Amino acid sequence: DAGVTQSPTHLIKTRGQHVTLRCSPISGHKSVSWYQQVLGQGPQFIFQYYEKEERGRGNFPDRFSARQFPNYSSELNVNALLLGDSALYLCASSLSGGRHNEQFFGPGTRLTVL
Amino acid sequence: AQSVTQLDSQVPVFEEAPVELRCNYSSSVSVYLFWYVQYPNQGLQLLLKYLSGSTLVKGINGFEAEFNKSQTSFHLRKPSVHISDTAEYFCAVSDQTGGTSYGKLTFGQGTILTVHP
Repeated sequence: DAGVTQSPTHLIKTRGQHVTLRCSPISGHKSVSWYQQVLGQGPQFIFQYYEKEERGRGNFPDRFSARQFPNYSSELNVNALLLGDSALYLCASSLSGGRHNEQFFGPGTRLTVL
Repeated sequence: AQSVTQLDSQVPVFEEAPVELRCNYSSSVSVYLFWYVQYPNQGLQLLLKYLSGSTLVKGINGFEAEFNKSQTSFHLRKPSVHISDTAEYFCAVSDQTGGTSYGKLTFGQGTILTVHP
């Protein structure tokens, strides 16, 4: 079975631009979470979606938004990009998003903001 | 709120030697505990998890971890490492209660394990 897939793999943007990152969960998984991993740090939680509804939000500005589609895939949108948004963005899927559920991570999207 | 501290940013070790990667957490509520591994240019892979029951948890690739509630620690161990264990390791927690933190994992800063021949 295919694992979590993310697109694109790499992305270069300039300050002020907008970006959309995409994630497809493992088949049968209904929850998707997004994490930001800045170089040299652990991943930071951004959002969790379950059954197309936001279930959790981390400490990120309103420039960050996300949504989940009926097929459970998800998009992460970031507006007005800043240099500090440069990071690896990880998507994780799980069966139901419960706290004890294993989260399966994708390979990530490397975003560079110039 | 929870926090996770991985006490060593880098751990060099020779092949076939034992290794321990240390993790301490802080939380006002009960937590679930996880260790993930990240190989270069890849996502995170779950090594093991503690949900309840026995405090000694065995995971994949010969790794194990012990939950110590009194010391709020969850150290990862392997009795004999291989070159292929070279990677970055992350300790993570999620709380067992409700609220907006549903499903959120809080990660430590990571420990880079380098296994030398």
